[in-house]
Amino acid sequence: AQTVTQSQPEMSVQEAETVTLSCTYDTSESDYYLFWYKQPPSRQMILVIRQEAYKQQNATENRFSVNFQKAAKSFSLKISDSQLGDAAMYFCASTSPQDQTGANNLFFGTGTRLTVIP
Amino acid sequence: DSGVTQTPKHLITATGQRVTLRCSPRSGDLSVYWYQQSLDQGLQFLIQYYNGEERAKGNILERFSAQQFPDLHSELNLSSLELGDSALYFCASSVGLSGPGELFFGEGSRLTVL
Repeated sequence: AQTVTQSQPEMSVQEAETVTLSCTYDTSESDYYLFWYKQPPSRQMILVIRQEAYKQQNATENRFSVNFQKAAKSFSLKISDSQLGDAAMYFCASTSPQDQTGANNLFFGTGTRLTVIP
Repeated sequence: DSGVTQTPKHLITATGQRVTLRCSPRSGDLSVYWYQQSLDQGLQFLIQYYNGEERAKGNILERFSAQQFPDLHSELNLSSLELGDSALYFCASSVGLSGPGELFFGEGSRLTVL
């Protein structure tokens, strides 16, 4: 079965510092996509960053970057220069295998709650 | 603003009742997904529709059903509600049938069953 594991239920970081959130996944697919979503107190799900598994280069979006280790099935998120607005739940997700109709969706981890300390 | 609209934002009802949650996808998106997020949990995939047809099913209870209409909006029907059905229900949409596209999420409908 497809699983996405976030082993850190809670993390904290000082403002302006760097923090890394961990995620491991299990998939039988050779081509898939990985995502980090942010859920602030407003509960809106916001895409932070996306990684295509066939790309070797780690994705980067401004202060957010990933460390994608395909062989280890690891996909960590690094937040640099943390800001108060980064405080949120962060969910790691991977695309599910396509079924016989070609449909798939996202599997989510249980999330990491990030606190930013002023 | 993701472009995905969900109504109602909040709903309080009693056990045994039935409710309908509505979702309008982003303009041009053909796929609609429903997810359930229980308190402090991750999102659990319920069901996917593509251009009016059911295409994938997750851990959706038999008491729950959904449909997607010709105008592509979708409704999630929850019946014989139990306390454990209290959760945030998200709708998301994407252009195609399958990934890799980003899923665009609505703001969710918070259901409280008393």
